[in-house]
Amino acid sequence: QSALTQPASVSGSPGQSITISCTGTRSDIGGYNYVSWYQHHPGRAPKLIISGARDRPSGVSSRFSGSKSGNTASLTISGLQIEDESDYYCSSYASGSTPRLVFGGGTKLTVL
Amino acid sequence: QVHLQESGPGLVRPSQTLSLTCTVAGDSISDRSLYWSWVRQHPGLGLEWIGYIHYAGNTYFNPSLKSRLTMSVDTSKNQFSLRLTSVTAADTAVYFCARGGLSADGPWAFDIWGQGTMVTVSS
Repeated sequence: QSALTQPASVSGSPGQSITISCTGTRSDIGGYNYVSWYQHHPGRAPKLIISGARDRPSGVSSRFSGSKSGNTASLTISGLQIEDESDYYCSSYASGSTPRLVFGGGTKLTVL
Repeated sequence: QVHLQESGPGLVRPSQTLSLTCTVAGDSISDRSLYWSWVRQHPGLGLEWIGYIHYAGNTYFNPSLKSRLTMSVDTSKNQFSLRLTSVTAADTAVYFCARGGLSADGPWAFDIWGQGTMVTVSS
């Protein structure tokens, strides 16, 4: 069972927008902005698309945006494209006796 | 262009030690701003952070693996390594190495990943 909760799947049509949620606690998402989102096509290296909850690394399409409210972070993909079909994972720094990184269980995005 | 490549045996016997190496190309593992992590993905499941190491030797490990885990850096070969002892079938996974440190998130966001290597624990 993953520390962060994501929907197992979402879907959308080309051109539409979708949002993937990632829910944690005040010990992780709620307490820090060290929230990242990764796109992972199985068999390939994961790709960082959002860090710092809302920062987009150089080279990442502006169609990807991140936000955070309370204990929930969100990834929004606007203008869906066929190539956006992939698995998406959130991660967050988590405080405690030993700081660690926790991931969500992943969300499968299907572009219909 | 920075490239990370995992290497190691694809099959490990139960109770033995899993050893993997990540070779870094196009960057210096001794860059003090960088942190080097391992992440794994169990078959059909999500990602799990294993831990990270800084070239100076600082480490942070997933508490659930800490008692079995060692990480090291070889600056002469521009490599970092993972050793996980007393493995069981539950350690069967794809293991990724990754680079952190270049975002405001410090070691907690990974901008470069390897392709991953499958490790099966079985007799």
